[in-house]
Amino acid sequence: GAGVSQSPSNKVTEKGKDVELRCDPISGHTALYWYRQRLGQGLEFLIYFQGNSAPDKSGLPSDRFSAERTGESVSTLTIQRTQQEDSAVYLCASSSRIHTEAFFGQGTRLTVV
Amino acid sequence: QQQVKQSPQSLIVQKGGISIINCAYENTAFDYFPWYQQFPGKGPALLIAIRPDVSEKKEGRFTISFNKSAKQFSLHIMDSQPGDSATYFCAASKGDQKVTFGTGTKLQVIP
Repeated sequence: GAGVSQSPSNKVTEKGKDVELRCDPISGHTALYWYRQRLGQGLEFLIYFQGNSAPDKSGLPSDRFSAERTGESVSTLTIQRTQQEDSAVYLCASSSRIHTEAFFGQGTRLTVV
Repeated sequence: QQQVKQSPQSLIVQKGGISIINCAYENTAFDYFPWYQQFPGKGPALLIAIRPDVSEKKEGRFTISFNKSAKQFSLHIMDSQPGDSATYFCAASKGDQKVTFGTGTKLQVIP
């Protein structure tokens, strides 16, 4: 595709519900990243994929968070039993080789009420 | 050792002035240092990047200065404009390791 696509762009969910956030990276990009950005804050690393494997999951804040990537393409970030502190913008990025430009999506704004 | 420390957290500059944002890193293996610019409601976008074999890179009004011995690098925005108002992130990476971002600097350029 032309860029990194994330869906939904906005998601409002009730506390305790599960949510799935989707990222479609740029075609051919092998590296894929998930970040969380709270309002007015910096980028908090969650997980990155090289191909379909995740060499670094160290940023996932709890076992309620999980992510997978299939076919070296689409990735899904799942948050189970959402809490109000999960409210943030979740950003996905991809790159064609490690340590070249990372292209970001527009993000999914998650609001837990 | 993977951290990248960025300062200041916020910056207000008069139109036409110079904006300076600094970053410091610990991991001497880092070999790629990009800067990203983020406007409200948008994802970050690459602004300019440098590798440690050069001490300075300039693109238009934006310059990265790199000090390998001090493990520091900085972004200078010359002739700052209100349209430059955004959040700026420095970053560093090495090989097949993930990109590590700084905490961000919110720049406001006032007319």
